[in-house]
Amino acid sequence: GENVEQHPSTLSVQEGDSAVIKCTYSDSASNYFPWYKQELGKGPQLIIDIRSNVGEKKDQRIAVTLNKTAKHFSLHITETQPEDSAVYFCAASFYSGGGADGLTFGKGTHLIIQP
Amino acid sequence: DAEITQSPRHKITETGRQVTLACHQTWNHNNMFWYRQDLGHGLRLIHYSYGVQDTNKGEVSDGYSVSRSNTEDLPLTLESAASSQTSVYFCASSKHSGRAYNEQFFGPGTRLTVL
Repeated sequence: GENVEQHPSTLSVQEGDSAVIKCTYSDSASNYFPWYKQELGKGPQLIIDIRSNVGEKKDQRIAVTLNKTAKHFSLHITETQPEDSAVYFCAASFYSGGGADGLTFGKGTHLIIQP
Repeated sequence: DAEITQSPRHKITETGRQVTLACHQTWNHNNMFWYRQDLGHGLRLIHYSYGVQDTNKGEVSDGYSVSRSNTEDLPLTLESAASSQTSVYFCASSKHSGRAYNEQFFGPGTRLTVL
């Protein structure tokens, strides 16, 4: 089955600086890669996703890049703000059109924004 | 507004007891999922369903069962609770559109403690 590795487990950056979180996956058939943000006591919430036919996607201060050959994808947050402090999870899945398989998650990155 | 709810939010039970966690969504989504979240493991898939009367095992399904009698609900049952099942449980749902993988929406979670 799929295995997703995520690094680092904790990331501390100064407010205004950029943050990068990296993930690798093992199953070359995976074709959907979402990123979730989880705040304390709440369920994960999708912040951005990318499909295997796209190399990069951007949404305001957040961007995701995908390298299918190397089987890794990354989350980039620019101009970090205090409200970006949370745990971030990457995930991978294979979608065939017949139904949605569950997501395989990385173990998470605790992002701390220092004022 | 459409939503996904879980109940109870907190549950303490004893080893060997049967426990059922409820999940209800009002989006009319075909796909529903159960995950457990443990420190050091991220979120792991327990069971999922593509629609009424359909259920599938995930990565960590031993000791758990689900049933799907209608579109809105996917209850998770622990047949004989074990201390290793102490965890936070998240339910999620997504719509099935046939062509693309759609966002999974997560509930607020149920914290289960097995003594």
